[in-house]
Amino acid sequence: GAVVSQHPSWVICKSGTSVKIECRSLDFQATTMFWYRQFPKQSLMLMATSNEGSKATYEQGVEKDKFLINHASLTLSTLTVTSAHPEDSSFYICSASSGGRGANVLTFGAGSRLTVL
Amino acid sequence: SQQGEEDPQALSIQEGENATMNCSYKTSINNLQWYRQNSGRGLVHLILIRSNEREKHSGRLRVTLDTSKKSSSLLITASRAADTASYFCATNGGATNKLIFGTGTLLAVQP
Repeated sequence: GAVVSQHPSWVICKSGTSVKIECRSLDFQATTMFWYRQFPKQSLMLMATSNEGSKATYEQGVEKDKFLINHASLTLSTLTVTSAHPEDSSFYICSASSGGRGANVLTFGAGSRLTVL
Repeated sequence: SQQGEEDPQALSIQEGENATMNCSYKTSINNLQWYRQNSGRGLVHLILIRSNEREKHSGRLRVTLDTSKKSSSLLITASRAADTASYFCATNGGATNKLIFGTGTLLAVQP
């Protein structure tokens, strides 16, 4: 089945630094990937839709300059948290659709836990 | 934006019992999906029900959809300790595959 890989699975960084999280579709091409954020014991909040070869579409209230998304190929999207602060500490999860008959079903990565000190 | 509300927020049952979770949403949808998340992990797709369907089964899972009430329910029959997880409903309503998730139900199945 479709597999989405996220890296790193966890990262600790100092306040003010930038952190990049990668999301790869391993056995399928994904023109669209989605980035979610999840705080402890809460639901997933959609941050943005990553579109291959074009700008990402951000949800209302998400700072595009804070959360930079690049979808340079059909199998890779990256999320960069710029000038991270402790309030950015969260679980970031990406997802993608393998298309075809399963076009409406998303495959999720295992998530990346960010802790900003 | 948060689309769905789920209840209960938490549910604790004994192994072998059935578990029912409910989801309500606000806008029109193309389909509604249920996902499972083990603690600190990614999500796994369980089942999808389209807006023109009323009920769907998959193994021990039964999903209903009432578009007039904008609600759905997930029933897990003969629960097992391994079913312990958080369960989320998610709605797809637009031209993209964007999913908006509900608040989730934390299910604990006691052995």
